[in-house]
Amino acid sequence: AQSVTQPDIHITVSEGASLELRCNYSYGATPYLFWYVQSPGQGLQLLLKYFSGDTLVQGIKGFEAEFKRSQSSFNLRKPSVHWSDAAEYFCAVEGGGNKLTFGTGTQLKVEL
Amino acid sequence: DAEITQSPRHKITETGRQVTLACHQTWNHNNMFWYRQDLGHGLRLIHYSYGVQDTNKGEVSDGYSVSRSNTEDLPLTLESAASSQTSVYFCASSDPGQPNTEAFFGQGTRLTVV
Repeated sequence: AQSVTQPDIHITVSEGASLELRCNYSYGATPYLFWYVQSPGQGLQLLLKYFSGDTLVQGIKGFEAEFKRSQSSFNLRKPSVHWSDAAEYFCAVEGGGNKLTFGTGTQLKVEL
Repeated sequence: DAEITQSPRHKITETGRQVTLACHQTWNHNNMFWYRQDLGHGLRLIHYSYGVQDTNKGEVSDGYSVSRSNTEDLPLTLESAASSQTSVYFCASSDPGQPNTEAFFGQGTRLTVV
């Protein structure tokens, strides 16, 4: 069965600093990978997705992620964090039929 | 605009009561899903459906049921609510006919069982 690990439960960064959120997956075939963001009291919004092709994926709000098959990773990055990026971030892998397996999430705090 | 809506947004119920959470989408998506979100677990799949009259169990289906009588709705029923079912519940839908697509999520229902 597939699984997703997000090693960092909480991360704090200063506004304007760069950000990298880690995600490692386990899946037998070529994975379909996603990053979602959840603001307090809100649903999940898709940041970006990877299905195939270019391993560097651009998303909304200035986020990008790089798929590294050799490391089973799909880390999320942003060059300069804004205070409005404070939220919880979830990495997910699709296990077929659009069914998602999520990581436990990383809570991002942004210091002004 | 097409959307996916969940109701109610918040509910408090007593142990042992039957509770139904509604999910309605206007995209005409065949795929619909229910997840629960708990601290330390992320989101876990409860039930899913690939079309009318089709329902399937997910990872954490015990104590829950769903029915799919039309394309737009997938209500989630807790047959006899337990405190362990206190959680935030998310409904999602996706279009299997669209290649490389994602699931779209509702705003969530926060359920408290007392």
